[in-house]
Amino acid sequence: EVQLVESGGGLVQPGGSLRLSCAASGFTFSDHWMSWVRQAPGKGLEWVANINPHGYEKNCVDSVKGRFTISRDNAKNSLYLQMNTLRVEDTAVYYCARGGNSPGFWGQGTLVTVSS
Amino acid sequence: EIVMTQSPATLSLSPGERATLSCRASQSVSSDLAWYQQKPGQAPRVLIYGASSRATDIPARFSGSGSGTEFTLTISSLQSEDFAVYYCQHYNNWPRTFGQGTKVEIK
Repeated sequence: EVQLVESGGGLVQPGGSLRLSCAASGFTFSDHWMSWVRQAPGKGLEWVANINPHGYEKNCVDSVKGRFTISRDNAKNSLYLQMNTLRVEDTAVYYCARGGNSPGFWGQGTLVTVSS
Repeated sequence: EIVMTQSPATLSLSPGERATLSCRASQSVSSDLAWYQQKPGQAPRVLIYGASSRATDIPARFSGSGSGTEFTLTISSLQSEDFAVYYCQHYNNWPRTFGQGTKVEIK
């Protein structure tokens, strides 16, 4: 059974940092593109970043470019999102998803709250 | 950035009725279009990819059509579990973008 379990969310002050993790199981992690998608409270979906199976091709949406970094460790079956210089508008549930186009598997999400 | 526009924002229908949801892209995305269903407190679930291919385990009452800039998701006969928010999303280029969603509610 495919499982994606996010962790690392929480409350952080504006300008702070957080590192999200996504533990994958039930499939060959190193075969798949992986993505982070977020959803602000009561709002729609925003695709934040994706990364290719070997980790050398990455894309980030302009609103997080220079602040967020997506990475992966295939030996640990894990996906990461390093988030620096966080802003109030980064407050959202962050989902880990398998795939770079139309993900068929999603985690349950981890809530990031940026507030003073 | 390709802007995805969904209509209507809300669709009020009764169980058993047909639902027709629209999605328009600001420029052609070919058939690189997916539809998702999201229920409160849950992650999105992919229904359709490639504009018209049903994802694994998705019931046949869900169908997608269109190409280029105009797309449609049809639910042939609404079941109680289908009342939810639906999003379209393109993957023709980066950034991937979603529509703002259509809420299908019980009339």
